[in-house]
Amino acid sequence: DVKVTQSSRYLVKRTGEKVFLECVQDMDHENMFWYRQDPGLGLRLIYFSYDVKMKEKGDIPEGYSVSREKKERFSLILESASTNQTSMYLCASSFPLPGLAASSYNEQFFGPGTRLTVL
Amino acid sequence: AQRVTQPEKLLSVFKGAPVELKCNYSYSGSPELFWYVQYSRQRLQLLLRHISRESIKGFTADLNKGETSFHLKKPFAQEEDSAMYYCASSSNTGKLIFGQGTTLQVKP
Repeated sequence: DVKVTQSSRYLVKRTGEKVFLECVQDMDHENMFWYRQDPGLGLRLIYFSYDVKMKEKGDIPEGYSVSREKKERFSLILESASTNQTSMYLCASSFPLPGLAASSYNEQFFGPGTRLTVL
Repeated sequence: AQRVTQPEKLLSVFKGAPVELKCNYSYSGSPELFWYVQYSRQRLQLLLRHISRESIKGFTADLNKGETSFHLKKPFAQEEDSAMYYCASSSNTGKLIFGQGTTLQVKP
């Protein structure tokens, strides 16, 4: 049974703080993803990673960075939190398939989410 | 840019009524289409995908390439079907493209 865990369910931070969101998966998946989930906007991809130390920008990378030092762990960093980053953050992982496009053909397994509030 | 559109934010039906959640995609290739579901206080999970052609929890979805649609259907809705449903499409960039989501509310 695939398990994707996120370090916090709820987090409250102040504007300007540096925020770390951690995600760990235990199924040896190469692919890992960070999304934010907002009502009416669906899931929007922030960053993703196909391998250790690899990262690719998603659709909304501004104000975020990521770190993937180990295969099982993918961290999302808010360098200077702002109120418009208040959201639900979801981490996901998946097995890869050969080829970039094919990687999106596999099921993604999601973590429980972190509800971040920036005051 | 590739896009997935779910036109309804909220769909409210009575228990036992048929359900159809609409999804349209814009991808000229041969995408893989998915439906993900998020029940209250649970994590987002895969409900079904086109390639497997399975019926999960009574739900089915047919890919219509002519209309570029992948609507999710169930003949008789149950209260436990109440959830947020997301349609998603594979893409040529390796990213999964999600729709805006539809909340299904099944009333007793």
